[in-house]
Amino acid sequence: ETGVTQTPRHLVMGMTNKKSLKCEQHLGHNAMYWYKQSAKKPLELMFVYSLEERVENNSVPSRFSPECPNSSHLFLHLHTLQPEDSALYLCASSLEGGGADTQYFGPGTRLTVL
Amino acid sequence: QKEVEQDPGPLSVPEGAIVSLNCTYSNSAFQYFMWYRQYSRKGPELLMYTYSSGNKEDGRFTAQVDKSSKYISLFIRDSQPSDSATYLCAARRAAGNKLTFGGGTRVLVKP
Repeated sequence: ETGVTQTPRHLVMGMTNKKSLKCEQHLGHNAMYWYKQSAKKPLELMFVYSLEERVENNSVPSRFSPECPNSSHLFLHLHTLQPEDSALYLCASSLEGGGADTQYFGPGTRLTVL
Repeated sequence: QKEVEQDPGPLSVPEGAIVSLNCTYSNSAFQYFMWYRQYSRKGPELLMYTYSSGNKEDGRFTAQVDKSSKYISLFIRDSQPSDSATYLCAARRAAGNKLTFGGGTRVLVKP
């Protein structure tokens, strides 16, 4: 595997379910990100982890719970979601050295909440 | 007002034409500017990044930043059907790693 991978690619869940999204980066980066991409809206940054520490939480509801056990893996735990949470969830990583630090994205998980 | 604004399109051009994309931004603290390409059912892929004002060219792609007018452009020369995608502009401050994205412009290159 190369780059940034995400599993599952598609997920359908009910409002009472608990599920988790997984992201893995094979780039040796030390920062990882969760984004939400909804139809006709800009990419929304949800969480940022730097060296496994959460450094940003953009007012995301507590029904989304991130976890970063090491610099290569990032999870997004989901529980009691709402239909409006249906979106493409994208993971990204970067080397995080300031300057022209660039983010590399995974293919995303298409989430549908029934 | 959104910090980064982008016309959603779609922008339809014939094969071989020049595609001209642009974004405006409101935050004068932005110093780094990126263009990403996103194909359907895929994650965004970094195309170009520029620092401050100026031009940058990479093959058929040219990125321009005019900080005085807070205007970002991407030009695609000799467009191909494979260039059909959504193009996202993004901006970042000098410090930190938070990217602010525009909403994306959908481009269709017709053979």
